[in-house]
Amino acid sequence: ELKVEQNPLFLSMQEGKNYTIYCNYSTTSDRLYWYRQDPGKSLESLFVLLSNGAVKQEGRLMASLDTKARLSTLHITAAVHDLSATYFCAVSSMEYGNKLVFGAGTILRVKS
Amino acid sequence: KAGVTQTPRYLIKTRGQQVTLSCSPISGHRSVSWYQQTPGQGLQFLFEYFSETQRNKGNFPGRFSGRQFSNSRSEMNVSTLELGDSALYLCASSLDGNQETQYFGPGTRLLVL
Repeated sequence: ELKVEQNPLFLSMQEGKNYTIYCNYSTTSDRLYWYRQDPGKSLESLFVLLSNGAVKQEGRLMASLDTKARLSTLHITAAVHDLSATYFCAVSSMEYGNKLVFGAGTILRVKS
Repeated sequence: KAGVTQTPRYLIKTRGQQVTLSCSPISGHRSVSWYQQTPGQGLQFLFEYFSETQRNKGNFPGRFSGRQFSNSRSEMNVSTLELGDSALYLCASSLDGNQETQYFGPGTRLLVL
């Protein structure tokens, strides 16, 4: 069974600081996704990581994937208030078709 | 390009009733997946439809069903509603369902009283 664990589940940080969210998954995965969700809103796609060593960056967010360790990280650089949201990682595997298995989410609060 | 749309956005029902939710995917997308989001269980996969066929199904009781039409629009139905069915129901579409990025709609928030 494909399982995904995220930590931390809650992160409160000051503006300007750096931090990393971790996403571990249990079995071989083909793709790793990061989504953002604002309160009361839907999920917005941030990144999709396809292969070992993949790194993608958009603004203050950078995601990476280590398939050998079954680990993805979402690094936040010099956080700003607008980054406050819940961040989810999700994985898919050919074995499970197009189904996304989500982590519990990390609630990020950036304090000014 | 218009995004994924879902109707209605909010619903209040009572136990025992049934409900139908609708999802229109992004134009050209043929795969539609449904997810349930609750504070306790998080985001859970319900089912996926592709070319009017259910291609994958999550671990939900038979009260949850769905279908897809020839224009790729999809509906999901929940019969004999229970209090625990209160949730945000999210629909996601992707091009061919071959693990491309899934784009999510705004969701339907269902409250069962």
